[in-house]
Amino acid sequence: KAGVTQTPRYLIKTRGQQVTLSCSPISGHRSVSWYQQTPGQGLQFLFEYFSETQRNKGNFPGRFSGRQFSNSRSEMNVSTLELGDSALYLCASSFGLGNTEAFFGQGTRLTVV
Amino acid sequence: QQQVKQSPQSLIVQKGGISIINCAYENTAFDYFPWYQQFPGKGPALLIAIRPDVSEKKEGRFTISFNKSAKQFSLHIMDSQPGDSATYFCAASKATGGGNKLTFGTGTQLKVEL
Repeated sequence: KAGVTQTPRYLIKTRGQQVTLSCSPISGHRSVSWYQQTPGQGLQFLFEYFSETQRNKGNFPGRFSGRQFSNSRSEMNVSTLELGDSALYLCASSFGLGNTEAFFGQGTRLTVV
Repeated sequence: QQQVKQSPQSLIVQKGGISIINCAYENTAFDYFPWYQQFPGKGPALLIAIRPDVSEKKEGRFTISFNKSAKQFSLHIMDSQPGDSATYFCAASKATGGGNKLTFGTGTQLKVEL
């Protein structure tokens, strides 16, 4: 069974640009969560999607958005990039809702210059 | 507000020794407590998880101890090996209204020396 696939693995963007990251969950999993990982703030929850609906949202500005498609694949978008958005963005896949095991992808390393 | 506090920040253990990492939580609604292992350049990998209806769970060399009244839980790595050198994160989530949202501790960098 394939794991969680995130693309691209690495990305360099200029301040002010926007970026879209993609996540394909484990086959059969319907929940996708996104996290930002930085040395200073650690792992922080961005949002969670289940059956194409956002179920949970963390404390991030509106520049961070996401969506989920009918095949459970998810994308997250960051608009008007800031230097502080440089981070490892991780996607986690879960079978259902409610404390089910979460499996992470390898992440997308975003660098904003 | 840091809802899950993790200590120590870093840990050096001799090969064959026991590594112990501690976490404390504040939100009594948390009812699922997983531990993750992360190697450089990789995403976190689920190691072991516990729910508050049990006080201990063991899987191979990894054991979680859970103290509901103290709102604390810990990871014990028995017979620590150099391959265990990684960063370990505790986490917590709540079923009701929480979905699968995980609140993470700040991480412990473990180094196992020969």
